[in-house]
Amino acid sequence: QQQVKQSPQSLIVQKGGIPIINCAYENTAFDYFPWYQQFPGKGPALLIAIRPDVSEKKEGRFTISFNKSAKQFSLHIMDSQPGDSATYFCASWVGGSTLGRLYFGRGTQLTVWP
Amino acid sequence: ETGVTQTPRHLVMGMTNKKSLKCEQHLGHNAMYWYKQSAKKPLELMFVYNFKEQTENNSVPSRFSPECPNSSHLFLHLHTLQPEDSALYLCASSQEGITGDLHFGNGTRLTVT
Repeated sequence: QQQVKQSPQSLIVQKGGIPIINCAYENTAFDYFPWYQQFPGKGPALLIAIRPDVSEKKEGRFTISFNKSAKQFSLHIMDSQPGDSATYFCASWVGGSTLGRLYFGRGTQLTVWP
Repeated sequence: ETGVTQTPRHLVMGMTNKKSLKCEQHLGHNAMYWYKQSAKKPLELMFVYNFKEQTENNSVPSRFSPECPNSSHLFLHLHTLQPEDSALYLCASSQEGITGDLHFGNGTRLTVT
């Protein structure tokens, strides 16, 4: 069973548009929700993250919206640029007694046209 | 420049070969991970090491054998692989007990012929 469901699988927007990527989870024990960005030929890199005690976090042009009651969170990219074209992964973290576990969504391939 | 270095970047091997992937982290972290990334699939966690001790093995076939000699180095030994094992193998590290922030290397692109 997939712990984190991510949509859409791919997304194409024009430069300046606001792509939105959505994720949903079931496990209420998750307590940290990072987003990773991956460019071709590179490993994923942490982009932005949120804890469930806040509903929104903004870093530059990237914003996470978090809805705890719906168990959903989303990534918004304001004023998107061609350089934002990449694959984005949402993830959910649950701390453990020995080591926490990070569960990833399937990824969204974003293309921003100039 | 990533704090996690993986070598080689690309590897082509036959099904009867034995090879090893290497990962080194320069971040002072105490946990290291191997992930498998295949097209159209979520990142699959393979192995976790915490302070050099393996704490997780996600039902990975025995043809994959990890080794963690110290908290900075991680190896993945490969033998008698199958074509379906072709994928990007990613190493990551984290500071256990702090957050869910993983630092990934750029991966080894493995092709099994």
